[in-house]
This record gives sequence, structure tokens and C-alpha cells, in this order.
Amino acid sequence: EAGVAQSPRYKIIEKRQSVAFWCNPISGHATLYWYQQILGQGPKLLIQFQNNGVVDDSQLPKDRFSAERLKGVDSTLKIQPAKLEDSAVYLCASTVTSANPSSQYFGPGTRLLVL
Amino acid sequence: AQSVTQLGSHVSVSEGALVLLRCNYSSSVPPYLFWYVQYPNQGLQLLLKYTTGATLVKGINGFEAEFKKSETSFHLTKPSAHMSDAAEYFCAVSTSGNTPLVFGKGTRLSVIA
Repeated sequence: EAGVAQSPRYKIIEKRQSVAFWCNPISGHATLYWYQQILGQGPKLLIQFQNNGVVDDSQLPKDRFSAERLKGVDSTLKIQPAKLEDSAVYLCASTVTSANPSSQYFGPGTRLLVL
Repeated sequence: AQSVTQLGSHVSVSEGALVLLRCNYSSSVPPYLFWYVQYPNQGLQLLLKYTTGATLVKGINGFEAEFKKSETSFHLTKPSAHMSDAAEYFCAVSTSGNTPLVFGKGTRLSVIA
């Protein structure tokens, strides 16, 4: 079974530029999460999708961050414009909705450096 | 709201020694508890999880954890450390099937030859 795929693995941009990350969850996983992991901290939820609907985006900085999952499979996370404090690893995770509790499977992450 | 506290940002043990990584949680409802491991430049891998039932949970790579409700703890142990265990370990809590995980800040485990 293929795992959660993410791309790119690394990205370096200047502040005020825009950037997008892509995630392909495990086949059949209806729930998808984006987490932000700042150096030295645990991952923090940005947004949770159930199929193509948003379940929880309360911690997403909506003035600069956006995310979508149009067909209920792949997802993209965008930052526009980026700030220095957005430097972090962005982790995508997915899970089978029917299991309770379900285990989240994580992708390798995208490491973003904002200069 | 839930929270997780991991005592010790860095733990160093000798190869073959006992590994003990501490985790305390706060939750207003019965929690689901998890331990994840993260190797450099990789995503998080599930080591073990507690849901209900037996409070001693066995995971992969010889790790186990015990849920102690009275102490609100879920400490991770391994009898004998291997060099390959060197990594970052995260404790996490959730409260129902698909609620997002709330993570601790992590503990970096170093294993000395």
C-alpha cells in the first residue's frame, strides 16, 4: 500500500512570495489533515478535510493560508504572501474515517524556508 | 481542550539501557493516546496507541507504554536501547475517532555507544 505522498520535499522562497504544497493521501482515506511543525515543536493542526469539505480550519491563518481538496482526494496548501515565521515543515496526514479511533498516516513533509 | 506535556526535550541513554520517555496529558473526556517517532527528514510513524481496554500497550520496535488514568500519564519505555532508536518522539492525544491530534513538543532520544 502506497503511503501519503507530498511534494515538493524542500522549498526556499523569499518573504512575500507565494508557495504551494501538494498532498496525495492513501487511497480510500476520506479524512485529510495539514499540520505545521515549527522547529523544536510538535505538529500543530492547520486544517482538516472530510472528503472535499472542511471540518476544522480554526487554526488556519486565513489572511495568508488557503487549502483545498476539490475532488476529495489530492489537496493543496498555499501560502500567499509568505512571512519569515512560516518557515516550518508542513505535514500531510490521512486516515480512514470508519475506524474509531483511526490512526493517522503521515507523509514525509515539505520543508519550507522563508528568507 | 486537550494538551500534552513531554518532560525532557532531550534524553540520552547508553546502548542497551532502559529507555523512558515521559508524557502527561490533559483531557476533559476519556483520551485516545499515541506515540509517534520521527527520524530526520521523515514524516511521523506510529509506534503505538491506547484506545480502551488493556492499559499496557505494546508497539513496534520493542516499545510499550502504560496508560495511567490516576496519573494522567502515558510514558513510553523500551527495555534495551539500540542505536537505531535515536530519533524524535512525540506523544499525542485525541478525543474521538477523527479529531485532530494534539502533540507534545517532542523528546529527542540520543543513544550512546
